[in-house]
Amino acid sequence: GAVVSQHPSWVICKSGTSVKIECRSLDFQATTMFWYRQFPKQSLMLMATSNEGSKATYEQGVEKDKFLINHASLTLSTLTVTSAHPEDSSFYICSAAQGLGVYGYTFGSGTRLTVV
Amino acid sequence: AQTVTQSQPEMSVQEAETVTLSCTYDTSESDYYLFWYKQPPSRQMILVIRQEAYKQQNATENRFSVNFQKAAKSFSLKISDSQLGDAAMYFCAYRTFGGGTSYGKLTFGQGTILTVHP
Repeated sequence: GAVVSQHPSWVICKSGTSVKIECRSLDFQATTMFWYRQFPKQSLMLMATSNEGSKATYEQGVEKDKFLINHASLTLSTLTVTSAHPEDSSFYICSAAQGLGVYGYTFGSGTRLTVV
Repeated sequence: AQTVTQSQPEMSVQEAETVTLSCTYDTSESDYYLFWYKQPPSRQMILVIRQEAYKQQNATENRFSVNFQKAAKSFSLKISDSQLGDAAMYFCAYRTFGGGTSYGKLTFGQGTILTVHP
């Protein structure tokens, strides 16, 4: 089945630094990937849609300059949290699908970001 | 915009018993897809079951089945013979049809935490 690999699983960074999270589709090509943010015991909030070879589409209220998304290849999308602050601490999850996702999306294992 | 509502923040069930998780949604579309995802303590999202809105037949996957009521915009999940490994947070999700040519976004409900008692 489709596998999406996400790294790192957890990261701690200092306030003001940048952190990059990678999302890879291992056995299929993903022209579109999605990035979510999740707070403890809450639902997943879609942050942006990442499109291979073009600019990401951000959801309303998501800061484009803070959450930089790059989808440079058909198997890799990256999310960079720039100038991170403690309020950016959260669980970030990516997802992708074979085909158009009508059979469901496969999710990465998530990244727990802690900004100190 | 579509909305998905899970009105049960928490549910519990005895091992081997049956439990039903509720989900309602609001949409003006006639074609769409519905999913139930499971998120165990590892936080890995796992697809449990899917339903195509244009199919009247309720989807079934082993011990998991849905009751899809399109007119009522209801999509409940029934777990039979509950097992300890079923303990997780369950999310109902709506996917836009996307016209068949584009990826549809997923809209998630608030989630239901399911506890399974031995």
